[in-house]
Amino acid sequence: EIVLTQSPTTLSLSPGERATLSCRASQSVGNYLAWYQQKPGQAPTLVIYNASKRATGIPPRFSGSGSGTDFTLTISSLEPEDFAVYYCLQRGNWPPMYTFGQGTKLEIK
Amino acid sequence: QVHLVESGGGVVQPGTSLRLSCAASGFTFSSCAMHWVRQAPGKGLEWVAVIWYDGSKKYSADSLKGRFTISRDNSKNMLYLDMSSLRVEDTAVYYCAKDWYGDPNWFDPWGQGTLVTVSS
Repeated sequence: EIVLTQSPTTLSLSPGERATLSCRASQSVGNYLAWYQQKPGQAPTLVIYNASKRATGIPPRFSGSGSGTDFTLTISSLEPEDFAVYYCLQRGNWPPMYTFGQGTKLEIK
Repeated sequence: QVHLVESGGGVVQPGTSLRLSCAASGFTFSSCAMHWVRQAPGKGLEWVAVIWYDGSKKYSADSLKGRFTISRDNSKNMLYLDMSSLRVEDTAVYYCAKDWYGDPNWFDPWGQGTLVTVSS
């Protein structure tokens, strides 16, 4: 079973700053990695898929990078609405099993 | 637009069974794979199961040890999750989510979830 480890657990930044979130896989997942954003009391929404592609409606300040075992979600200049919990997700090709990371809470400093 | 509404949650005792439902609208349900994901209170996300667009294949998380079964009724635009031998640790909000394709890929959007509480 592939394990995803996210770091840091909590990231405290101010609006306008750059955020860098990490997700490391216990074995290679190719580029089969996505990032979700979850705000309090809401369902998660997709931000990045296939490691680096922005989902529909996601602003360009969000970018994803990486392949294999190391992935990064970068928010170039934080807006107030970006403060949330972010989860990475990997999907296996076959069988189609999915694993989430434990999450990174991005909070206002 | 896509609309997913989960129902069927509630308070149940350990060892009992429960069926969750997800009513889908705003897209061609019979063309899309569907997923269940859960989130224990204050915890992270856990993928539960996926079913192909036509119900021909389904997979669930190994950790569930076969206690949960995903199914669908394309004539009613409904997705189901049958949960048996429920445990306290199954307490969670259960979300259904729409896949992008007929076979498993990425999934989005999600419904708002239904809370299942397993307690004696």
